[in-house]
Amino acid sequence: GAVVSQHPSRVICKSGTSVKIECRSLDFQATTMFWYRQFPKQSLMLMATSNEGSKATYEQGVEKDKFLINHASLTLSTLTVTSAHPEDSSFYICSTVNSVTGELFFGEGSRLTVL
Amino acid sequence: TQLLEQSPQFLSIQEGENLTVYCNSSSVFSSLQWYRQEPGEGPVLLVTVVTGGEVKKLKRLTFQFGDARKDSSLHITAAQPGDTGLYLCAGARNQGGKLIFGQGTELSVKP
Repeated sequence: GAVVSQHPSRVICKSGTSVKIECRSLDFQATTMFWYRQFPKQSLMLMATSNEGSKATYEQGVEKDKFLINHASLTLSTLTVTSAHPEDSSFYICSTVNSVTGELFFGEGSRLTVL
Repeated sequence: TQLLEQSPQFLSIQEGENLTVYCNSSSVFSSLQWYRQEPGEGPVLLVTVVTGGEVKKLKRLTFQFGDARKDSSLHITAAQPGDTGLYLCAGARNQGGKLIFGQGTELSVKP
């Protein structure tokens, strides 16, 4: 079964609205989660590292006020795309790392379409 | 700056042909992973290589990690239409889980 669950898998929203994507670690507590963005036919680009109980670490060029990350519990991280615009339309994927085994697990991804 | 150069980015071949995908970097990685991704889904791990010079086989897929742990290759023998998909290499600098992905290789195997 799935180790990491993302929700929603697909979301369509109007320009200017905010959208929240959830990433849940189902099998273990994850102090660290990662958020990636992927455009069609392209690779995954790391957006930020989500740290439980502290601020997320954003990669260069990623607007932290645009992409709000909250990691309030050991099993849940959320990514909120604020004031979404069509150029934010993308496939967003999260991953978690099992700190005991070092194994990395990816979610199923969330397809965001901004009209 | 792309830290992990993956090539080719697109590959269209006939069923039965062999192919090799390369990932190269000027940086050393503690490990390198290969993933396959279907449209609309998350990437699925194929293999992790850790030791320089390591070779791992997964049925018709052969993975190699360079001696200096800066490069890796994926070789597919007798490709089949079911091998079609996006192949991604990703390097890790430590055990923290942060990965640097290559650009990906979109493979199409025609029957």
